[in-house]
Amino acid sequence: AQKVTQAQTEISVVEKEDVTLDCVYETRDTTYYLFWYKQPPSGELVFLIRRNSFDEQNEISGRYSWNFQKSTSSFNFTITASQVVDSAVYFCALSEAASYGQNFVFGPGTRLSVLP
Amino acid sequence: DAGITQSPRHKVTETGTPVTLRCHQTENHRYMYWYRQDPGHGLRLIHYSYGVKDTDKGEVSDGYSVSRSKTEDFLLTLESATSSQTSVYFCAISAVRAGRYEQYFGPGTRLTVT
Repeated sequence: AQKVTQAQTEISVVEKEDVTLDCVYETRDTTYYLFWYKQPPSGELVFLIRRNSFDEQNEISGRYSWNFQKSTSSFNFTITASQVVDSAVYFCALSEAASYGQNFVFGPGTRLSVLP
Repeated sequence: DAGITQSPRHKVTETGTPVTLRCHQTENHRYMYWYRQDPGHGLRLIHYSYGVKDTDKGEVSDGYSVSRSKTEDFLLTLESATSSQTSVYFCAISAVRAGRYEQYFGPGTRLTVT
């Protein structure tokens, strides 16, 4: 069965600090997709990134970077030089490739507070 | 923006009354989903649809039914609302864009059952 764990329930940092959000997943499939979503206080879910299981290259997008390690079943998300606008709940999610999304499983989320 | 709207955005209803939430999409996506979001649980899949009149159950389908009579609309019905169904409901679509599989969400509906 699929499972996504985000062990950090809440994280608080001061602006300009770097912060890493952890995501550990479980799946029996060899092909799957991993996602990160941001949910700001306004409530909408914002798609951040999707990774394929067969592509282990790390990715950087501005202040955001993602570290995918198959060996440890982890897909961690780092925000460099955090800003107040990064305050949100962040969700990691997993989808098995053959399921067309019906087995899309979310972690419980990590609430990030960036203090000025 | 995947052209997903949800209505109503907020609703308060009484226990035992029927409630229908609507999800509308403008891009002809085949796959549509209903999730509920509760503190400590993230998002959990209620039902999904893989085409007109083709639907299936998700993880937390008890007490909910869905219908999809046309591609653009996916309805979620609570036949007899209970307080445990107080939640935020999100509709989503999945799409393949530039060879990449992605899922996008509507703005959500906050439902309170009193």
